[in-house]
Amino acid sequence: DTEVTQTPKHLVMGMTNKKSLKCEQHMGHRAMYWYKQKAKKPPELMFVYSYEKLSINESVPSRFSPECPNSSLLNLHLHALQPEDSALYLCASSGGRGDSYEQYFGPGTRLTVT
Amino acid sequence: AQSVTQPDIHITVSEGASLELRCNYSYGATPYLFWYVQSPGQGLQLLLKYFSGDTLVQGIKGFEAEFKRSQSSFNLRKPSVHWSDAAEYFCAVGAGNNNDMRFGAGTRLTVKP
Repeated sequence: DTEVTQTPKHLVMGMTNKKSLKCEQHMGHRAMYWYKQKAKKPPELMFVYSYEKLSINESVPSRFSPECPNSSLLNLHLHALQPEDSALYLCASSGGRGDSYEQYFGPGTRLTVT
Repeated sequence: AQSVTQPDIHITVSEGASLELRCNYSYGATPYLFWYVQSPGQGLQLLLKYFSGDTLVQGIKGFEAEFKRSQSSFNLRKPSVHWSDAAEYFCAVGAGNNNDMRFGAGTRLTVKP
């Protein structure tokens, strides 16, 4: 099973709202990622968790707050977002048994900030 | 840091024709190289990967790619394109344990009937 699941599929939120995106994988992967993708652009790395610890933070604004409760779950907490934060948010995981370095992506959450 | 260049923003091919998508990378050591495909509004699907060994790698959906160290390239090929191959294609390069993977700008493939 190479599935990464993300919920919700779509999210519309106002600039004063607080919401969370959820990502889950059951492949035994030890690294999980958040990417942001604007229309017609490549994914941009936001955060990397390795063994449940934050290992990379690509200077993302503090209105985005990641959380890794356990090795299978990754959350992205959103607060006071701006309209320019509207994008597709992708979760990925990698690093299973052996030397599996490829990243597997979820279907994404389409976020619209109004 | 590693980087990837995909020189072609948009390519149009006829159904049944052959396809080659170009990818050039920059990295000081042996890179981890990937091709992903993305249909509109969807996540990314891994087509194939290169870590080491045979420089010609086979992937899913009939795609293959060839790693050429002398040209810093990892071009994607398919001998006969199907209408369902229309999508965005991303080349990516990873470093170290691949926790830091960088994508090229992408190439949009249109398939003419």
